[in-house]
Amino acid sequence: GAVVSQHPSRVICKSGTSVKIECRSLDFQATTMFWYRQFPKQSLMLMATSNEGSKATYEQGVEKDKFLINHASLTLSTLTVTSAHPEDSSFYICSARQVGEQYFGPGTRLTVT
Amino acid sequence: AQKITQTQPGMFVQEKEAVTLDCTYDTSDQSYGLFWYKQPSSGEMIFLIYQGSYDEQNATEGRYSLNFQKARKSANLVISASQLGDSAMYFCAMRDSTLQGGSEKLVFGKGTKLTVNP
Repeated sequence: GAVVSQHPSRVICKSGTSVKIECRSLDFQATTMFWYRQFPKQSLMLMATSNEGSKATYEQGVEKDKFLINHASLTLSTLTVTSAHPEDSSFYICSARQVGEQYFGPGTRLTVT
Repeated sequence: AQKITQTQPGMFVQEKEAVTLDCTYDTSDQSYGLFWYKQPSSGEMIFLIYQGSYDEQNATEGRYSLNFQKARKSANLVISASQLGDSAMYFCAMRDSTLQGGSEKLVFGKGTKLTVNP
């Protein structure tokens, strides 16, 4: 149990376009999901906390208008990178909370050309 | 603010031997949780082991054990009988509260790259 999926696993987009990443809890409901970003050979940095039915809470320094988060159901949160630039190229990982524990998705590797 | 420090960028171990990965933390909270995750080259984060700040016994999960020294604020991961498949990045992380209602945020260290040699 406690499986989290992400889609897509890899995406390449052109600079200036928007990209949507989905995070799904497959066998449990998650009122809270988290979005992390990981640059090469670095640690995971929390970007935002996604709460079902309410606005996401963003970490300091993360632009909420650039990284749009929607948590419309108890099993799905989406992260949209708007007007992507090459510096947004990174590995994006989500996690979903169940009974106090976080279960991570497999990650999405975004490359902006 | 909470902080996790992993001082070993890379570690090497011979297959079948034990290895210790260091982790120290800094927090003013009395209640917190400590985690270790494994991240292979494919990128997924694999949960290994958890230690609550009030747990009196060191956590163990199969070949993984956590050497929790609260006074020294350290939570080292010990992997016994290393296997080639253990080669990966290992991250220590802290959650700010073990109780419901805590922020549940995880703060990660910079990681240690473990290489198991045959």
